[in-house]
Amino acid sequence: QVHLVESGGGVVQPGRSLRLSCAASGFTFSNYGMHWVRQAPGQGLEWVTFISFDGHKKDYGDSVKGRFTISRDNSEDTLYLQMNTLRAEDTAVYYCAKDGDAYTIDPPFYFDSWGQGTLVTVSS
Amino acid sequence: DIVMTQSPDSLAVSLGERATINCKSRQSVLYSSNNRNCLAWYQQKPGQPPKLLIYWASTRASGVPDRFSGSGSGTDFTLTISRLQAEDVAVYYCQQYYTSPSTFGQGTKVEIK
Repeated sequence: QVHLVESGGGVVQPGRSLRLSCAASGFTFSNYGMHWVRQAPGQGLEWVTFISFDGHKKDYGDSVKGRFTISRDNSEDTLYLQMNTLRAEDTAVYYCAKDGDAYTIDPPFYFDSWGQGTLVTVSS
Repeated sequence: DIVMTQSPDSLAVSLGERATINCKSRQSVLYSSNNRNCLAWYQQKPGQPPKLLIYWASTRASGVPDRFSGSGSGTDFTLTISRLQAEDVAVYYCQQYYTSPSTFGQGTKVEIK
């Protein structure tokens, strides 16, 4: 049973930083690409970033490029999202999501498992 | 970016009746390497994360009841719930994963009439 548990959310002032974590279990973490997807309050879903199974390939949405950094520790089965220079429009629930297929490094990707999410609120 | 447009934004269906949600992409999402469409459907209930229902436009995810089915090709896709159950009340999203950035439709809210 795949289990993804996000943590690290909270209230942060604009311009500050926050790091999210996603602890994975129930599957061979090092075989799968991982993603962060966010959902602003009452809004739809927005893909944020991807990291390949081995950490060598990364991709970012335009809205976070240059401010957010995705990483992973395959020895600890954990995914990270370092968020810098946060803005009010980054306020959202952040979900980590697992690739549907193993060893993919390029699209197409679909997300077959999601965590419960962690809320990030950017406000002064 | 590929824009995904769902219709309707919301619909109310009687228990046991059919619910149909449409999704249109601005360009084709047919993946030539396997001749399959890079289109997924997710169900999101209040306070819960999205759940994968359908991928490759018509393949049901593990454990998804067979009353959920996906169809379509190229730019036009449909999610059908053949006999609506009370537990199907949710928002449904389509997603194209043909190219980066992966993009989602705006969502369709399904309620009981």
